[in-house]
Amino acid sequence: DAKTTQPPSMDCAEGRAANLPCNHSTISGNEYVYWYRQIHSQGPQYIIHGLKNNETNEMASLIITEDRKSSTLILPHATLRDTAVYYCIVRVASGNTGKLIFGQGTTLQVKP
Amino acid sequence: EPEVTQTPSHQVTQMGQEVILRCVPISNHLYFYWYRQILGQKVEFLVSFYNNEISEKSEIFDDQFSVERPDGSNFTLKIRSTKLEDSAMYFCASSVGRGPFNEQFFGPGTRLTVL
Repeated sequence: DAKTTQPPSMDCAEGRAANLPCNHSTISGNEYVYWYRQIHSQGPQYIIHGLKNNETNEMASLIITEDRKSSTLILPHATLRDTAVYYCIVRVASGNTGKLIFGQGTTLQVKP
Repeated sequence: EPEVTQTPSHQVTQMGQEVILRCVPISNHLYFYWYRQILGQKVEFLVSFYNNEISEKSEIFDDQFSVERPDGSNFTLKIRSTKLEDSAMYFCASSVGRGPFNEQFFGPGTRLTVL
């Protein structure tokens, strides 16, 4: 699975959009980009995933660059409850056992 | 909404003792996982389990560790002889499948403290 690089920490004002970047320059064509988050030592929580098209769900939007070497997770209106560690994970679509490889992630602090 | 549950929430044990951490995955899920997180460090994969056998295990998952699905609902992680360095949060997760559209649902974790 390709390696990802994320900034260690970011701040965001409550109510504003939080844009969390991820670099995955060695991603291959059959690898998906996943985002999970972990709120204060709770179990990680799935947010969103994508292959090459931009994706949106009730939690967030995922923007993947055309060359797929980087992506941005967007929380459109961040709340205090969105303070968490956000993990960008790249994983092959098939032929895997399902394991997730977590990096250090980005600690997002949403401030009032 | 269905969820993964884990018991106990906190387990304290003496070094060298055996511990069993229990998980109840979501009922229609077929793939099960254990991860651990040492305090202040990243979440680490331990083992994946499907069709009553281990699919993959990490280097951490040595002979002291074992997993079992004893009764079709529980999924357990056993550590035979605990060491101080086994102190960590242990997370169980489950998914319907393992392909790209099968998110993993994580439990709240069991905090294991080895004294």
